Amino acid sequence: EIVMTQSPATLSVSPGERATLSCRASQSVSSNLAWYQQKPGQAPRLLIYGASTRATGIPAKFSGSGSGTEFTLTFSSLQSEDFAVYYCQQYNNWPPEITFGQGTRLEIK
Amino acid sequence: QVQLQESGPGLVTPSETLSLTCTVSGGSISSYFWSWIRQSPGKGLEWIGYIYYSGSTNYNPSLKSRVTISVDTSKNQFSLKLSSVTAADTAVYYCARALLGTHYFDYWGQGTLVTVSS
Repeated sequence: EIVMTQSPATLSVSPGERATLSCRASQSVSSNLAWYQQKPGQAPRLLIYGASTRATGIPAKFSGSGSGTEFTLTFSSLQSEDFAVYYCQQYNNWPPEITFGQGTRLEIK
Repeated sequence: QVQLQESGPGLVTPSETLSLTCTVSGGSISSYFWSWIRQSPGKGLEWIGYIYYSGSTNYNPSLKSRVTISVDTSKNQFSLKLSSVTAADTAVYYCARALLGTHYFDYWGQGTLVTVSS
């Protein structure tokens, strides 16, 4: 099983600041990496797939990068609606064994 | 606009079988992968398994012995059965869609809480 490790577990940031979340895979997943945002009481929302492609309707302030085992999700300028939990997910294997990271909580400082 | 809606009992007795259905509206169930994903209270996301509209399946190895996912294309629905449940299976269960050739999830249901308790 490919284990996804996200860091930090919690990140405290002030509105308007930039933030970077990390996700590491226990083995290479190429660029088969997605990021999701989850707010309380809601289902996850797809932000990024293919490590760096924004999903439909996702603003440019979200950007993803990386390949292989190291990935990042960057926010250019945080707004109040961005404070949520973020998960990475790999979908590399075939047949796929899909695994998620444990999540990073982005909170207001 | 594609919408997914989970339905089923919110309370299941230990050792019994959990059964949920996901109804897809606003689009066809054909040509996509359809997954079940769960989230235990206060915890992260766990993929349970997927089914292709043709009926082929793939399950999380950790749950494989207890999981069955089926599809009814005539009703635009797919279903989850999880047998021999315990309190550890208490979670919010989501259904979700993945495009053919990929396994990231672009549409999700709102989720349904299933509690395992006597």
